Amino acid sequence: DGGITQSPKYLFRKEGQNVTLSCEQNLNHDAMYWYRQDPGQGLRLIYYSQIVNDFQKGDIAEGYSVSREKKESFPLTVTSAQKNPTAFYLCASSLRHSSNEKLFFGSGTQLSVL
Amino acid sequence: AQSVSQHNHHVILSEAASLELGCNYSYGGTVNLFWYVQYPGQHLQLLLKYFSGDPLVKGIKGFEAEFIKSKFSFNLRKPSVQWSDTAEYFCAVKNPNYGGSQGNLIFGKGTKLSVKP
Repeated sequence: DGGITQSPKYLFRKEGQNVTLSCEQNLNHDAMYWYRQDPGQGLRLIYYSQIVNDFQKGDIAEGYSVSREKKESFPLTVTSAQKNPTAFYLCASSLRHSSNEKLFFGSGTQLSVL
Repeated sequence: AQSVSQHNHHVILSEAASLELGCNYSYGGTVNLFWYVQYPGQHLQLLLKYFSGDPLVKGIKGFEAEFIKSKFSFNLRKPSVQWSDTAEYFCAVKNPNYGGSQGNLIFGKGTKLSVKP
C-alpha cells in the first residue's frame, strides 16, 4: 500500500529537550509538508520541501527544523526553542509543488509536553 | 496575505437534513479551491476541488461545492446528510500563479459536523 507513515503516534517532550517526528512516504512524491493542527486553529504550515536537499519555511517555522536528505523522508525536529509545542502534527506530500496537486496526509503525531 | 474563513465552528444536524458549510477567501485573483475532510480516526483526505470551468463541482459521497467569484465563496453542500458524514471539514485555497511560499495551500480553521442518527 502506498502512503505516508508518521511515527510515533504519541510523543512526549521534556522541557529543554529536542524531539524528532518521522515522516516517510512511498508515493514517489517530490513535495513534502509539515503542518501543525491546534483545536480551533486549522492547519498551519511549518516547513515544506519541493525537492530533495531543499526546504523552505512556512508560516510558523520558529522553533522547528527539518531536513530532506532523501526523497521519501522529511523528519521534523521540535527544538527547545519552541515554547508551545503541544499540538497535533501532520505530514503531507504531493506529486509536485504545483497548484493542482492534491495533498496526501499521514495519520499524525500528537506531541505533548511533560 | 490570503486568508480563508469558515464561519461555523461546530454544526449539529439530524440525519437527512441538508448541509451547507460556508467558506470565504480573501484573494481577488485566480484561485484553486479545495475541501478536505477528516473522519474520526482517519487521515485528512480530499473531498473535492475547483480549478476552472463549471463553478459547481461534485465530490465524493454526494458532496458538492459552488464557486461564486463575486462573493469570494466556495460553500460545501449536501442535500441529505448521513451519520457517517460526521467529520471535520476544512476549506483551503491556493494561488496557482505563485510558486514558492506563496504557492502553498492556506487552510481555514475547520468546521466540525456532528450528525445525530
